[in-house]
Amino acid sequence: LAKTTQPISMDSYEGQEVNITCSHNNIATNDYITWYQQFPSQGPRFIIQGYKTKVTNEVASLFIPADRKSSTLSLPRVSLSDTAVYYCLVGDPDSNYQLIWGAGTKLIIKP
Amino acid sequence: NAGVTQTPKFRILKIGQSMTLQCTQDMNHNYMYWYRQDPGMGLKLIYYSVGAGITDKGEVPNGYNVSRSTTEDFPLRLELAAPSQTSVYFCASSPYPQGTYEQYFGPGTRLTVT
Repeated sequence: LAKTTQPISMDSYEGQEVNITCSHNNIATNDYITWYQQFPSQGPRFIIQGYKTKVTNEVASLFIPADRKSSTLSLPRVSLSDTAVYYCLVGDPDSNYQLIWGAGTKLIIKP
Repeated sequence: NAGVTQTPKFRILKIGQSMTLQCTQDMNHNYMYWYRQDPGMGLKLIYYSVGAGITDKGEVPNGYNVSRSTTEDFPLRLELAAPSQTSVYFCASSPYPQGTYEQYFGPGTRLTVT
């Protein structure tokens, strides 16, 4: 199976920009790279997805280099409510419809 | 819209017992998924379905079974529960085909097997 690697945890302060990178050495060629947010005792919530270059929506940006071996989730001007676990999700190229979730990055925002 | 609903929210099983985790979505999504999430870990795909009558195994299917008789419902069956199946189970649905992974998740079922 493909493998993804994310930092286990990160700290930041309110108002700062936070960047979380996920390494995915081998992903399905035509698949999107997707990021989710999860609060305790809740299901994951979709944040953003992209195929290459840069994608931006109302809550985040996603940067994907041309080789697609990594992706960086950027959260602008974080607040305390952004404290959560963030996961990247990719498709495995060698297995039919296998979805590979990262182990997650626990982001703690301090006042 | 209720979205994706799961029942029960919590359950304690004894080793060897069986149970069915219910999942229903009211968004008319073709794609549905069952995941398990162990403490401090990411999600692992158990089974998925691309439409009524069609199911397939994910990464960790052993000890589980699914069925998809309608678009709305995707129950997960645990036969002969084992302590290794203690986990939080999430059901998800999506209107998007393989390659795009925007999914809508239910609130989860916390299962303990003792």
